[in-house]
Amino acid sequence: SQTIHQWPATLVQPVGSPLSLECTVEGTSNPNLYWYRQAAGRGLQLLFYSVGIGQISSEVPQNLSASRPQDRQFILSSKKLLLSDSGFYLCAWSGGLAGGTDTQYFGPGTRLTVL
Amino acid sequence: DAKTTQPNSMESNEEEPVHLPCNHSTISGTDYIHWYRQLPSQGPEYVIHGLTSNVNNRMASLAIAEDRKSSTLILHRATLRDAAVYYCILRLYNAGNMLTFGGGTRLMVKP
Repeated sequence: SQTIHQWPATLVQPVGSPLSLECTVEGTSNPNLYWYRQAAGRGLQLLFYSVGIGQISSEVPQNLSASRPQDRQFILSSKKLLLSDSGFYLCAWSGGLAGGTDTQYFGPGTRLTVL
Repeated sequence: DAKTTQPNSMESNEEEPVHLPCNHSTISGTDYIHWYRQLPSQGPEYVIHGLTSNVNNRMASLAIAEDRKSSTLILHRATLRDAAVYYCILRLYNAGNMLTFGGGTRLMVKP
């Protein structure tokens, strides 16, 4: 069966510090991968998605970046964190099925607090 | 994804059925209706999806109106663990694999 891991589970970082969040998927190959952010009390916002190694699409302009160095590894980074980067970061994967039936499976999330 | 409208919150008693409505009046013929839920402090989880016919799985049932302009997620016997935010999302047939989450319905289950 497939599993998705995210770490760390929680993180407290000062403003201006760098960030690296990691997501890995097991039990599947060539998944679509996604990064979402959920601010406190708000809905989920898609940040990045990837359909293959080295292929990253950004949905919103921000000081974050994403990379996919391996098939089942997705990394979210920032060079300098802002207060507004605080939130719950979720990684997800899907099989990339066409036709509107694709299902996404989410990781446990990383709760980031920027002070 | 096309727009959906859901009530902000609903309340239910434990062990009673719950009907969570979703309006999607601008749905097109090839849009799939997906439901996800998000338990407190967790990532969303897939619940069910359908196109035209009603669907059942171990988690819930999805009832789709004949004109497809609305749908209802049915939890047959609510438990305290079903307290979550439920999201109704339309997936366009040819619009890629992204999910657009709206506000969802916060379901509260009373013991």
